[in-house]
Amino acid sequence: GAGVSQSPSNKVTEKGKDVELRCDPISGHTALYWYRQSLGQGLEFLIYFQGNSAPDKSGLPSDRFSAERTGGSVSTLTIQRTQQEDSAVYLCASSWRGNTQYFGPGTRLTVL
Amino acid sequence: AQSVTQLDSQVPVFEEAPVELRCNYSSSVSVYLFWYVQYPNQGLQLLLKYLSGSTLVKGINGFEAEFNKSQTSFHLRKPSVHISDTAEYFCAVTPSDAGNMLTFGGGTRLMVKP
Repeated sequence: GAGVSQSPSNKVTEKGKDVELRCDPISGHTALYWYRQSLGQGLEFLIYFQGNSAPDKSGLPSDRFSAERTGGSVSTLTIQRTQQEDSAVYLCASSWRGNTQYFGPGTRLTVL
Repeated sequence: AQSVTQLDSQVPVFEEAPVELRCNYSSSVSVYLFWYVQYPNQGLQLLLKYLSGSTLVKGINGFEAEFNKSQTSFHLRKPSVHISDTAEYFCAVTPSDAGNMLTFGGGTRLMVKP
């Protein structure tokens, strides 16, 4: 079946602009996660959604970062007023009841 | 909280040689353990996982790993590597009360030479 998909695959933006990154999880998966992969910090957890529960936002690095999940499926990660240190690969993963996580191909964000 | 240490940042090895990528973890609760592989410009692909049961788990592409609770290790092994195994490998853990985020190690770059 279809895996996790993310769009766009690449995004180049100017410092100070807002960006939206999209994630389509595997159909039927109840949990959705966002991670960030950067050279200096490795793989870091950002935010986690499970069903209709309030999201776990404990990994968001600043209040410029937010995410929502509509209808228990598609998720959008929004970064406001982007900074150069936001440049990274943003990875989305989904799982069924929080067991094994399956990852999408990622969105490479470059902030000029 | 959990932490994961991958002891080798890079492992060079000749084709058809055996390889072991080391992973140690720290956790005050029971955990599930995973190995993921990342090929250039791609996402993470699940290689194998330990949830419960037999401590020796087999994964895709001929890889296997052994969970050692007393040594808090989950080393990845392959008896004979191929050029196509060249990639970055990540060890990860999550608390076994399902639904939590993964904590990753820093990754090990496996470089297979002809």
